[in-house]
Amino acid sequence: EAQVTQNPRYLITVTGKKLTVTCSQNMNHEYMSWYRQDPGLGLRQIYYSMNVEVTDKGDVPEGYKVSRKEKRNFPLILESPSPNQTSLYFCASSLRGLAGASSYNEQFFGPGTRLTVL
Amino acid sequence: DAKTTQPNSMESNEEEPVHLPCNHSTISGTDYIHWYRQLPSQGPEYVIHGLTSNVNNRMASLAIAEDRKSSTLILHRATLRDAAVYYCMANSNSGYALNFGKGTSLLVTP
Repeated sequence: EAQVTQNPRYLITVTGKKLTVTCSQNMNHEYMSWYRQDPGLGLRQIYYSMNVEVTDKGDVPEGYKVSRKEKRNFPLILESPSPNQTSLYFCASSLRGLAGASSYNEQFFGPGTRLTVL
Repeated sequence: DAKTTQPNSMESNEEEPVHLPCNHSTISGTDYIHWYRQLPSQGPEYVIHGLTSNVNNRMASLAIAEDRKSSTLILHRATLRDAAVYYCMANSNSGYALNFGKGTSLLVTP
């Protein structure tokens, strides 16, 4: 089944304790992305990756790191989590990051990771 | 990306058609109009997209105004499972960030 998986689904941690949220897709997609969803603020993009070893900042990258060493995986790293990073996180992927007018790239989302930083 | 405006919420009876409107008056010629929805406790999922012509797929229909400044997502027979937040977006198909906005929360009642 084509899907985007995230782990863990739920995580409670303490300030300053490094953590990694994994994201994996089995669709051979080039483009992957991380969003966070907060009440009243909607979904905002954190980082994205156009392909292996190519990553770039989204709208809210502060306090996060990412890596893209393999096409299927795009982990989100919080080196020193703080309470303002308590949020619902979604990973997404699509076939291409750039496309011409003749094609459309639907984005597929993972089930989400609910993170609480105490 | 074009700014989109949607009603905050709408309500429908089960098995009735639902028309969800979206205004995108600043849309440019190359911007796609696309809709995603987010079911409770799930990630967003793609619903439909279009450029100029009306579109149908297994989930919904998309009616695009002739001037492209507005569009309507049509669910032909709403089910309880269609209760979700529906997001309308209008931007180029770059695969970059989707600007979800606040969306329309659809309530479906039996």
